[in-house]
Amino acid sequence: DQQVKQNSPSLSVQEGRISILNCDYTNSMFDYFLWYKKYPAEGPTFLISISSIKDKNEDGRFTVFLNKSAKHLSLHIVPSQPGDSAVYFCAASEANQAGTALIFGKGTTLSVSS
Amino acid sequence: KAGVTQTPRYLIKTRGQQVTLSCSPISGHRSVSWYQQTPGQGLQFLFEYFSETQRNKGNFPGRFSGRQFSNSRSEMNVSTLELGDSALYLCASSSLTGALNEQFFGPGTRLTVL
Repeated sequence: DQQVKQNSPSLSVQEGRISILNCDYTNSMFDYFLWYKKYPAEGPTFLISISSIKDKNEDGRFTVFLNKSAKHLSLHIVPSQPGDSAVYFCAASEANQAGTALIFGKGTTLSVSS
Repeated sequence: KAGVTQTPRYLIKTRGQQVTLSCSPISGHRSVSWYQQTPGQGLQFLFEYFSETQRNKGNFPGRFSGRQFSNSRSEMNVSTLELGDSALYLCASSSLTGALNEQFFGPGTRLTVL
């Protein structure tokens, strides 16, 4: 059973507009969430993270929102740029768990057109 | 600082064979995790090593194994290869073990099983 779900396999946005990528999770023990970006033939690159004690974290054009009661998080990219076109993975982890195991969603492919 | 390196980058094997993949973490990083990426399942956690000890293990059969050396380099081994083992195998390193740590990924090893 998937613990982290990204229900939209793809998203198309025009340059300059907002991109919103969504992620849902089922495990209430998750308390740290991350977004990774992946280009073809490269490994995932860390983008932004959020701890469960926060509901928002912002880094430049990227903002992650966390709604714990709904077990939902979203990544906002404003403004979107063609170079943002990539696969975006949502990941979650349990802080009290021994070691580090990131549970990933299946990814959302973002296409930003100019 | 050099990034995470993985060798080989591409590998073709036949069913029944075994394979060993190698990962060199970022200098100073002691935690190494392995993930399998397939089109249908996304990124799935295999195992994590810290100071030569397996700290965490995902839900994979015993044919998948790994180890870590004193210099933090890690290897993973897959025995009795099956067609379904064809995937991108990603290694990630982090400076500490625990959830609140960004993991840095290598470019991956693309394994094709014929």
